[in-house]
Amino acid sequence: AQSVAQPEDQVNVAEGNPLTVKCTYSVSGNPYLFWYVQYPNRGLQFLLKYITGDNLVKGSYGFEAEFNKSQTSFHLKKPSALVSDSALYFCAVRRGGYQKVTFGTGTKLQVIP
Amino acid sequence: ETGVTQSPTHLIKTRGQQVTLRCSSQSGHNTVSWYQQALGQGPQFIFQYYREEENGRGNFPPRFSGLQFPNYSSELNVNALELDDSALYLCASSLGGASGTTDTQYFGPGTRLTVL
Repeated sequence: AQSVAQPEDQVNVAEGNPLTVKCTYSVSGNPYLFWYVQYPNRGLQFLLKYITGDNLVKGSYGFEAEFNKSQTSFHLKKPSALVSDSALYFCAVRRGGYQKVTFGTGTKLQVIP
Repeated sequence: ETGVTQSPTHLIKTRGQQVTLRCSSQSGHNTVSWYQQALGQGPQFIFQYYREEENGRGNFPPRFSGLQFPNYSSELNVNALELDDSALYLCASSLGGASGTTDTQYFGPGTRLTVL
């Protein structure tokens, strides 16, 4: 079985401050990890993924995520938040060699002007 | 935009009816996955189609079925609709293999299904 936990339903951050959205996962075998963002009434937009290699992954719109195998975490980060970053963020995991992608319940990011 | 399109955008059905949702995958992609996203929840994996064959399935009953066509577009069919089937249905396309690949899934905008 595989699972994803996003422990915070909502994260509030002031514009210009760094942001972190937390994600921990559970999967047997090698994890493929993903972050997606969803704006109201829209589908999911891909931000970044970790498959193998460097633990720090850089993605779209200035976002990055750090893979930590010992803590089974894949937190999303951005050095300076924008109001336009306000949206719903989903972490997802897939076991290597399998099709099923499991998503977390999402974290609402609110960037305050 | 991802190049993945879905139709219709919105749909209202009554309990017991049947519905067909459609998805056109991004050019060059051969794999389509379908997800159900209930209000306030993350997407739940329904199934995946690779080269016209079902290639993985989540915990959904058989009344959820699908097709993939030679051009890699796909349909999701739901029979005997229940109230709990009300959700946003998302399709995602990717360039995959029979056992999955590292490729990213790109999502369409979704179809909002309401069952009354």
